[in-house]
Amino acid sequence: GDSVTQMEGPVTLSEEAFLTINCTYTATGYPSLFWYVQYPGEGLQLLLKATKADDKGSNKGFEATYRKETTSFHLEKGSVQVSDSAVYFCALSDMYTNAGKSTFGDGTTLTVKP
Amino acid sequence: GAGVSQTPSNKVTEKGKYVELRCDPISGHTALYWYRQSLGQGPEFLIYFQGTGAADDSGLPNDRFFAVRPEGSVSTLKIQRTERGDSAVYLCASSLRREDEQFFGPGTRLTVL
Repeated sequence: GDSVTQMEGPVTLSEEAFLTINCTYTATGYPSLFWYVQYPGEGLQLLLKATKADDKGSNKGFEATYRKETTSFHLEKGSVQVSDSAVYFCALSDMYTNAGKSTFGDGTTLTVKP
Repeated sequence: GAGVSQTPSNKVTEKGKYVELRCDPISGHTALYWYRQSLGQGPEFLIYFQGTGAADDSGLPNDRFFAVRPEGSVSTLKIQRTERGDSAVYLCASSLRREDEQFFGPGTRLTVL
């Protein structure tokens, strides 16, 4: 079945550092890929998405590119802020084979220090 | 506008008891999903409703778990004979249509003693 593997955390960075969180996936169909963020005390929020190969999703300075050849969707940000401290989840969803249900990675906790 | 709401926010129960968890989706959203999130893990799919019907219940772990959505809006997840292993955060999400973005509720933290 479908699966998502994220780099293990936690990740601790200084403010303005470059961020990469790795995500690779296994899927039988042609999934859409997502990054969700969960800030402390809040629910899951969609951060960005990409629906087909070579698409780039971006939001709030974060980017991720759908790489079919490497089955990856790594999250990047050029300069992190303290407010980016949160748990980040990579996920996939295949509308045509799995009715839209999402498969999530285990999450990566990011802490940004001033 | 109002987002997805879930009640209660916390539920503590004893092993063997019955519990109901409620989800109020965003008004007009036809698709509704339940997920379970154990500590240190990502959400795990349980069941998906399209309208009033359960279109996919393949994630329900066993027959102690059941969910309904009788009028195509509010959904209730029901767990019979709770076990300590059922302790987790239960998340609900809704989307306008199956292919649209899912909006998540804050979750219900279930603790089975």
